[in-house]
Amino acid sequence: EIVLTQSPGTLSLSPGERATLSCRASQSVSSNYLAWYQQKPGQAPRLLIYGASSRATGIPDRFSGSGSGTDFTLTISRLEPEDFAVYYCQQYGGSPRTFGQGTKVE
Amino acid sequence: EVQLVESGGGLVQPGRSLRLSCATYGFIFDDYDMHWVRQAPGKGLQWVSGISWNSGTKGYADSVKGRFTIYRDNAKNSLHLQMNSLRTEDTALYYCAKHGGHSRREPFDFWGQGTLVTVSS
Repeated sequence: EIVLTQSPGTLSLSPGERATLSCRASQSVSSNYLAWYQQKPGQAPRLLIYGASSRATGIPDRFSGSGSGTDFTLTISRLEPEDFAVYYCQQYGGSPRTFGQGTKVE
Repeated sequence: EVQLVESGGGLVQPGRSLRLSCATYGFIFDDYDMHWVRQAPGKGLQWVSGISWNSGTKGYADSVKGRFTIYRDNAKNSLHLQMNSLRTEDTALYYCAKHGGHSRREPFDFWGQGTLVTVSS
């Protein structure tokens, strides 16, 4: 099983600032099958990024993903008030599909 | 508009059974694999089970293997999870999630709002 470790656990920032979230895998994620999801309180997760760097439909371009192999990054270029949430990475190249433990952006 | 609506959650005693359902709308259901993902209170996300579009392939997390069964009814555009021998550690919000495409490896592009399962005596 591929274990994903996200850091930091909590990121304290202000609107307009840049957020950089990390996701590290215990082994290489095949073909960069790595996704990022956003979850707000009381809501279901929403797909932001897939294939490590492709934005999902309707996702603003301030969200970007990068990385390969075992190290991946989600960057929010300028935080908007609605971006304060918990972010999860997920690998879907191996079985079982696994998630990181989440990073809270507050 | 894609919609996934879960139902069937509730309070159940350890060792008992529960069946979850997910009604789907707005897409061609039998074109896509489907999944269940759970989230324990205050915790992260855990993939529970997945099923291919034609029910030919099913997968389970080790923690539920042998106790949970996933199945689908393509005629009724619905997904189900039969949960037997429930344990307190199965307490969670259970989400139905749609496979994002037609290849075997895709993220989950749409999620329902979840149904809460509480296992307690």
